[in-house]
Amino acid sequence: GQSLEQPSEVTAVEGAIVQINCTYQTSGFYGLSWYQQHDGGAPTFLSYNGLDGLEETGRFSSFLSRSDSYGYLLLQELQMKDSASYFCALNTYSSASKIIFGSGTRLSIRP
Amino acid sequence: DTAVSQTPKYLVTQMGNDKSIKCEQNLGHDTMYWYKQDSKKFLKIMFSYNNKELIINETVPNRFSPKSPDKAHLNLHINSLELGDSAVYFCASSQGDSSYNEQFFGPGTRLTVL
Repeated sequence: GQSLEQPSEVTAVEGAIVQINCTYQTSGFYGLSWYQQHDGGAPTFLSYNGLDGLEETGRFSSFLSRSDSYGYLLLQELQMKDSASYFCALNTYSSASKIIFGSGTRLSIRP
Repeated sequence: DTAVSQTPKYLVTQMGNDKSIKCEQNLGHDTMYWYKQDSKKFLKIMFSYNNKELIINETVPNRFSPKSPDKAHLNLHINSLELGDSAVYFCASSQGDSSYNEQFFGPGTRLTVL
């Protein structure tokens, strides 16, 4: 089967750095994506890792290691507006090309 | 200039009723999706259409029937609503039907079945 695991909750301090980990099992995938969802809002795309290594987009970076079946999202210079749920997602190609989402990590930022 | 829009935003109805949710995207994308997000925020694909053709049909009750009149619209009709259907339903679109294409989500429709 295909599945992802990520922590259900993470708390961090404003201005700090936080890392949200994601481990996965899959029979075939293009890469790993990350989506952000604020309470009451829609998921929005943050980043995509098709290859191993680090992808950086402003304050956010994402990492993938296929050999370890592991990825993470790194958020730097945390702001209160970063309080949201973060979903890692497998971009699969087995059977049908679809995204399988993890259960989400709720990030709470303290002043 | 809304990219992906859904109507209605909120839907409250009685068990056994039939209801529809509409979705439209103005991004020129050729692939559209329906997702269900339950109370634990678990987001799961239900259906996907590429150029009006059904390409993903996950294991959902056949009370759920998607319909794509053109590639800019994907509607979801639900018959004989049950309590367990209460959730937020998200429409999404992407350019291309490969899963690595970025998906753009609508604002969601919160369905409450009483």
